[in-house]
Amino acid sequence: NAGVTQTPKFRVLKTGQSMTLLCAQDMNHEYMYWYRQDPGMGLRLIHYSVGEGTTAKGEVPDGYNVSRLKKQNFLLGLESAAPSQTSVYFCASSYVRGQGTMNTEAFFGQGTRLTVV
Amino acid sequence: GENVEQHPSTLSVQEGDSAVIKCTYSDSASNYFPWYKQELGKRPQLIIDIRSNVGEKKDQRIAVTLNKTAKHFSLHITETQPEDSAVYFCGLAAGNKLTFGGGTRVLVKP
Repeated sequence: NAGVTQTPKFRVLKTGQSMTLLCAQDMNHEYMYWYRQDPGMGLRLIHYSVGEGTTAKGEVPDGYNVSRLKKQNFLLGLESAAPSQTSVYFCASSYVRGQGTMNTEAFFGQGTRLTVV
Repeated sequence: GENVEQHPSTLSVQEGDSAVIKCTYSDSASNYFPWYKQELGKRPQLIIDIRSNVGEKKDQRIAVTLNKTAKHFSLHITETQPEDSAVYFCGLAAGNKLTFGGGTRVLVKP
């Protein structure tokens, strides 16, 4: 049972390049989230998904796109990377209990450290 | 996060003393309030959570209190130990969205 796994762990991009971060969970969780964490700052929600084929914007969605084609995977894309997107990216997942609102522990991946030069 | 404010941003305590972190929010639809601990270079991990129908919850040296009327909730750590040194985040769930406060860096001095 691997939990939540992020690929890659580290990446350096040049300004304008594109890339996709992969988050995979093996816990059959419905909800998945992408956050970014900048030095000295908290976790800011980029996009999230409540199930296969559905996505929604979080607090800081600009410059990012996401897809949830399979329940176990949540992809985060940067179409044209900018230095302001240098950050540590965390993916998280959780299951649904009861009425279908978020109310259980979110399990985090190990993070992806992205540097845009 | 845009929905929750966390204070203080840094907290230094002497080993054995208590630490208290407070978060305030505005969305009355919020119904789930988790606290996460993040050690240096590690992923955030849940340490305790509370739901909106409960006012207080305790787990050994850690407790969380929730005041829904005043829209704030707090993390209390008693008898602090060096291994409690970390960054702590309060979380807030309203509907399907989980957002976090800005974090509190706690340093426990031996």
